[in-house]
Amino acid sequence: AQTVTQSQPEMSVQEAETVTLSCTYDTSENNYYLFWYKQPPSRQMILVIRQEAYKQQNATENRFSVNFQKAAKSFSLKISDSQLGDTAMYFCAFMMPGTASKLTFGTGTRLQVTL
Amino acid sequence: EAQVTQNPRYLITVTGKKLTVTCSQNMNHEYMSWYRQDPGLGLRQIYYSMNVEVTDKGDVPEGYKVSRKEKRNFPLILESPSPNQTSLYFCASSSQGSYGYTFGSGTRLTVV
Repeated sequence: AQTVTQSQPEMSVQEAETVTLSCTYDTSENNYYLFWYKQPPSRQMILVIRQEAYKQQNATENRFSVNFQKAAKSFSLKISDSQLGDTAMYFCAFMMPGTASKLTFGTGTRLQVTL
Repeated sequence: EAQVTQNPRYLITVTGKKLTVTCSQNMNHEYMSWYRQDPGLGLRQIYYSMNVEVTDKGDVPEGYKVSRKEKRNFPLILESPSPNQTSLYFCASSSQGSYGYTFGSGTRLTVV
């Protein structure tokens, strides 16, 4: 079974600075998908970014980018120019194609953006 | 507006009293799932459905039931709730899971 590990329960960053959230996963498969979801205090789950394992190019969405290291099974999220609205819980998730689209989540990293 | 609608947002109930949490999506998605979120455990899949009348167990199905009689609806049923089912529940849907899921706003359930 696939597992997803987020080793940083909590992190803090100052506004306008850059922060990187770590995620590692375990799988023997070659083709899969990786996601980062954001959960602000409103508790809504919001898809931040998505990566396809067969694509070597790292995904980017505005201030959010990933560092995908397939051999190391690492999928970190970098937030540039942090804003107060980035304060949230961030979850890394893994999905195998053809498995009824089950998302396997990590335990989350709580990010606090301060002034 | 494309969305997944869950009801209720908050629910307090007593042990053993049957309850249903409703979930509806207006995006014509084939895939739907239920997750529960607990502190320190992340989100875990309870049940999922690939289409009408097609459902299967996720990682933590004990004590739950689901049905998918219509494409848009995927209710979660707790026949005899127990305190260990106190949790935050999310319904989610996707047209093709690899593009990610759209989540509902969550249901905070407390069983006393």
